[in-house]
Amino acid sequence: DAEITQSPRHKITETGRQVTLACHQTWNHNNMFWYRQDLGHGLRLIHYSYGVQDTNKGEVSDGYSVSRSNTEDLPLTLESAASSQTSVYFCASSGASGTYEQYFGPGTRLTVT
Amino acid sequence: TQLLEQSPQFLSIQEGENLTVYCNSSSVFSSLQWYRQEPGEGPVLLVTVVTGGEVKKLKRLTFQFGDARKDSSLHITAAQPGDTGLYLCGGGSNYKLTFGKGTLLTVNP
Repeated sequence: DAEITQSPRHKITETGRQVTLACHQTWNHNNMFWYRQDLGHGLRLIHYSYGVQDTNKGEVSDGYSVSRSNTEDLPLTLESAASSQTSVYFCASSGASGTYEQYFGPGTRLTVT
Repeated sequence: TQLLEQSPQFLSIQEGENLTVYCNSSSVFSSLQWYRQEPGEGPVLLVTVVTGGEVKKLKRLTFQFGDARKDSSLHITAAQPGDTGLYLCGGGSNYKLTFGKGTLLTVNP
């Protein structure tokens, strides 16, 4: 069965360190998304990609970057982790159906100390 | 910026009661999705509505898309403890989704 996976599921890091969160999907979807979920804010879009070599900034992109070298993967990098980036991060993917249905991974809980 | 307002933010009811949660916006969306999220997991897609006025049923859950495609509602009949979770609506535009902050539903046995 097709799926979307994220790793690690939990990560503790120190302020200033670079951190990369992995996202891998086997849906063969062109569109991939990264969100962060915080109490009181809901799901906020960080970055998204509509295909290989395409990346776009979302509403909360400062301090984050992504790259898309193949269809299956969209890693999210925190260049220099800050305590404000402590959150739960979700990756999602969607096809080209035009109905915008997204399929989410299980999430990565990141704590920056 | 497109915004989706969900209400109520929190809802605690007894098993067997009916409930309705709402998702409202001033913007028109091409489609609207409802998701349910359980603690420690990612959101899971429940339904997609596309046409203004559309009604979809999923067992005890009834979803409606407003005629103007700006709002939606989710009605649960005879709620069960297994319905407990965070219900999120997402409005689709330009292949992206804008999410509301969710309604946290607790169904007590």
